[in-house]
Amino acid sequence: QKEVEQDPGPLSVPEGAIVSLNCTYSNSAFQYFMWYRQYSRKGPELLMYTYSSGNKEDGRFTAQVDKSSKYISLFIRDSQPSDSATYLCAMSAGTGGFKTIFGAGTRLFVKA
Amino acid sequence: GAVVSQHPSWVICKSGTSVKIECRSLDFQATTMFWYRQFPKQSLMLMATSNEGSKATYEQGVEKDKFLINHASLTLSTLTVTSAHPEDSSFYICSARGGTSFTGELFFGEGSRLTVL
Repeated sequence: QKEVEQDPGPLSVPEGAIVSLNCTYSNSAFQYFMWYRQYSRKGPELLMYTYSSGNKEDGRFTAQVDKSSKYISLFIRDSQPSDSATYLCAMSAGTGGFKTIFGAGTRLFVKA
Repeated sequence: GAVVSQHPSWVICKSGTSVKIECRSLDFQATTMFWYRQFPKQSLMLMATSNEGSKATYEQGVEKDKFLINHASLTLSTLTVTSAHPEDSSFYICSARGGTSFTGELFFGEGSRLTVL
């Protein structure tokens, strides 16, 4: 079993839809949770960063962490064609030299 | 957010030559940087953890003599692919933890696409 599981998709939605992206994990030591967006042939861009459990909102993006269920989510409201990209969840047990473990990434297509 | 710059963004080389990729943290000091490799439509594969002033820590299966990592300063880490072969063709990405050591998020460079002919 992988430490982090993420459905690779692809996920195709119409413009304006609410998108839900999810990851599950097995390591209860993870405390830092991140979502990255990666456009084709570019480096990942940090979207959301959450420490421990709870919700965090930034514009059209909401990140949720449920440590009891080992489940994290990213919601995108009013999705736009420019949101079409691969979304990677990532998590780490600590800072400094701690490794960050990435999900496989979900490819999202938002149709105009 | 913190800015990580990677250079070159694209390089083509002949088989048997060596290629150096630079990763710089532009507005913060990074004691630890990470090097990843990514194949098309696949996620990031951690190759090694680069520590300023000490030897890099390589992941299992990654050849140390093939992928030389140097982290000579708090703002620069380099990855040298030695005696490159076509199977080394890939997208290489570096990252660093930004800001203070109390945060967990990683910031990535733009990536370097290596094509070995």
